[in-house]
Amino acid sequence: GDSVTQMEGPVTLSEEAFLTINCTYTATGYPSLFWYVQYPGEGLQLLLKATKADDKGSNKGFEATYRKETTSFHLEKGSVQVSDSAVYFCALGGSEKLVFGKGTKLTVNP
Amino acid sequence: EAGVAQSPRYKIIEKRQSVAFWCNPISGHATLYWYQQILGQGPKLLIQFQNNGVVDDSQLPKDRFSAERLKGVDSTLKIQPAKLEDSAVYLCASSFFGTVNDEKLFFGSGTQLSVL
Repeated sequence: GDSVTQMEGPVTLSEEAFLTINCTYTATGYPSLFWYVQYPGEGLQLLLKATKADDKGSNKGFEATYRKETTSFHLEKGSVQVSDSAVYFCALGGSEKLVFGKGTKLTVNP
Repeated sequence: EAGVAQSPRYKIIEKRQSVAFWCNPISGHATLYWYQQILGQGPKLLIQFQNNGVVDDSQLPKDRFSAERLKGVDSTLKIQPAKLEDSAVYLCASSFFGTVNDEKLFFGSGTQLSVL
């Protein structure tokens, strides 16, 4: 079945460091791919999405490119801020159902 | 715009007791989802409603879990009797049409359940 594998956390970075959170997927068909973010005490919210191969989703300085050849959708940000501290979930839209990865907790220290 | 409302925020019960969670989706959203998020795991879909009909409940443990959305608006998820492994955050989400590949889901803050 459809599945998503994210890099294990937690990840701790200093402010202005470069961030990569790896995500790979297994799916039949051509799902859309998503990154959702969960800030402390809040619900999940969509960060960015890509609907087909080679699409790049971007928002708030974060980017991810839909790579069909490597079945990956890695999340990147060039310079993280303390306010980016949150849990990040990679997800795919398969068979009209969102399948989530386990989440990666990011802590950014000043 | 009001978001997805859930209550209670926290609930602590003993095993074999019953518990109910309530969700009010964003106005106009036809699709409502209940997810279970166990600590250290991603959210898992329990049940999906389209208006007041069930679209997918394949992962709902029907021997103890039940959910309803009688008027196609707010929804209640019930567990009876609860087990220790039901300890989790229960998330409610909604969207306009339920086409997950084309639209985003809006999530509530969740209900954190602890079963002792």
